[in-house]
Amino acid sequence: AQTIHQWPVAEIKAVGSPLSLGCTIKGKSSPNLYWYWQATGGTLQQLFYSITVGQVESVVQLNLSASRPKDDQFILSTEKLLLSHSGFYLCAWSLSGDERLFFGHGTKLSVL
Amino acid sequence: GQQVQQSPASLVLQEGENAELQCNFSSTATQLQWFYQSPGGSLVSLLSNPSGTKHTGRLTSTTVTKERRSSLHISSSQTTDSGTYLCAIDRGVVGQLTFGRGTRLQVYA
Repeated sequence: AQTIHQWPVAEIKAVGSPLSLGCTIKGKSSPNLYWYWQATGGTLQQLFYSITVGQVESVVQLNLSASRPKDDQFILSTEKLLLSHSGFYLCAWSLSGDERLFFGHGTKLSVL
Repeated sequence: GQQVQQSPASLVLQEGENAELQCNFSSTATQLQWFYQSPGGSLVSLLSNPSGTKHTGRLTSTTVTKERRSSLHISSSQTTDSGTYLCAIDRGVVGQLTFGRGTRLQVYA
């Protein structure tokens, strides 16, 4: 069974429209959760991380926000998309004391 | 800030040939990981190797921490090895990895 599930797989959205991307982790207790972003042809950058429910730390400012409403859920959102938000969004998890990071399959976002 | 430089940027091989990928980083890292990114974009962790030499299957990673470099050797390459190989180091904070631009590997039959 897949541990990490991201949705949607892909999105095409208009500039100025809202966005919500989701990530669910199954079978892991209190994982550390992360959002990463990769512009087309660019390097992966960490956007947010969360160690526990309700706590999210921002790493890079991209006019996006993240929330962790449940232990196994991580949400990335914005009320107004920009063209520069286009790219590939990856959710990842790790366990405390283990340096390995495990990624979801990602969401490809195209903002037009 | 920390920088990760990978070389070569791209590599084309015939099936069966070996590949040597390099990663250099600008400051001390406590963690170093190699990832494989498929053409579709998904990422898989290959090796975590902050120092020394580690093997898994056809992969060997050697990290010389004092010299701030790591290598990934792929032996007997296969067409299914095609994709992008990313090197990442930690930033000393929980899960904050700094990634390189990657080496794009293409293996032809």
